[in-house]
Amino acid sequence: EPEVTQTPSHQVTQMGQEVILRCVPISNHLYFYWYRQILGQKVEFLVSFYNNEISEKSEIFDDQFSVERPDGSNFTLKIRSTKLEDSAMYFCASSGLGGALNYEQYFGPGTRLTVT
Amino acid sequence: AQKITQTQPGMFVQEKEAVTLDCTYDTSDPSYGLFWYKQPSSGEMIFLIYQGSYDQQNATEGRYSLNFQKARKSANLVISASQLGDSAMYFCAMSPIYNQGGKLIFGQGTELSVKP
Repeated sequence: EPEVTQTPSHQVTQMGQEVILRCVPISNHLYFYWYRQILGQKVEFLVSFYNNEISEKSEIFDDQFSVERPDGSNFTLKIRSTKLEDSAMYFCASSGLGGALNYEQYFGPGTRLTVT
Repeated sequence: AQKITQTQPGMFVQEKEAVTLDCTYDTSDPSYGLFWYKQPSSGEMIFLIYQGSYDQQNATEGRYSLNFQKARKSANLVISASQLGDSAMYFCAMSPIYNQGGKLIFGQGTELSVKP
């Protein structure tokens, strides 16, 4: 069964450093997302991406964040200068089989980011 | 603004019994989708069930069913014949756009514990 994959599973970084979280969405999915979950809290939407551009972003997704689809398979989230409050689990998700009514978003296993 | 409310932070159920997890939502959009996800202690987000706002019948997926009451704006998850493996966090979510690519808005979650 196809699945969303994410690397690394755990990333530890120092405050102020740049991090890149990587995701490989399900092939032939068209919509890609990043969410985050601070420990013990609910899952929060960060950004959605379609047709090689951002379709929607939340207030959390400020200038420190960027997303990219550098090739036909990878989808990345970059945080330019990490802060302590960026420590969270980051989930990548994908959805949408072209032409089919498929609304479910399939989540990857997450990357736990720890900023020290 | 769209909002999901899950009022039960924790629930207990005896193995083999049924349990209902509550979810209410608030939206002014005429079209939306409602979702339930399961998050085991390992952290991944597992899609369980989807209900569209114009669907006439309640959604069912195996032991999961969604009790959709549109007038009350509720979308409760019913798990029949609970199993020990059902112990997890359960999140209700809503997508305010009734098509592909809409962001998910999550509730705070309900932690379900299944007792042997």
